[in-house]
Amino acid sequence: GENVEQHPSTLSVQEGDSAVIKCTYSDSASNYFPWYKQELGKRPQLIIDIRSNVGEKKDQRIAVTLNKTAKHFSLHITETQPEDSAVYFCAASISASKIIFGSGTRLSIRP
Amino acid sequence: DADVTQTPRNRITKTGKRIMLECSQTKGHDRMYWYRQDPGLGLRLIYYSFDVKDINKGEISDGYSVSRQAQAKFSLSLESAIPNQTALYFCATSDSGQTQETQYFGPGTRLLVL
Repeated sequence: GENVEQHPSTLSVQEGDSAVIKCTYSDSASNYFPWYKQELGKRPQLIIDIRSNVGEKKDQRIAVTLNKTAKHFSLHITETQPEDSAVYFCAASISASKIIFGSGTRLSIRP
Repeated sequence: DADVTQTPRNRITKTGKRIMLECSQTKGHDRMYWYRQDPGLGLRLIYYSFDVKDINKGEISDGYSVSRQAQAKFSLSLESAIPNQTALYFCATSDSGQTQETQYFGPGTRLLVL
């Protein structure tokens, strides 16, 4: 069945460095790729998303890239700060009824 | 996001008991979802509803049922709870009128089945 693989499962970076989280998806019909951030004890919240007709999207310190040929997409966080510590989930969607989430990456920012 | 609320926030129950988790939203969205979150498994869709009279099974619907009582309310029931249903449950909403269907999550209900 459809699957989204997310790596790494845990990531620790020095404050100020960059962090990269990668996801691959199996269903080539997927056309919408959101990223959610879940802080400890809180609900997941959308931080950035990208559609299949775009290769890259940037919002301040975060960016997402998409390679449809290879069926993978990545989240890039630059100049990391303590408040970036959270669990990040990628997802791939064909429609509102068919959204598959990755297993999550726990990002820790070392002071 | 106080627009999506869930009750209760925490629940401890025993094997075999029937329990109901409730979700309400004031966002005016037509679509509502129930997910469960387990460590290392991300979020998995249990049921979803695109309108009041529309109910659809998700990836892991066995052992669960839902009711869409109104556009703003979507409840999840465990008919006979079992320990492997211990998890964090999230309700979510989305708006079919949007180009990109962002999911707005509730605060979650932590369920422990003994």
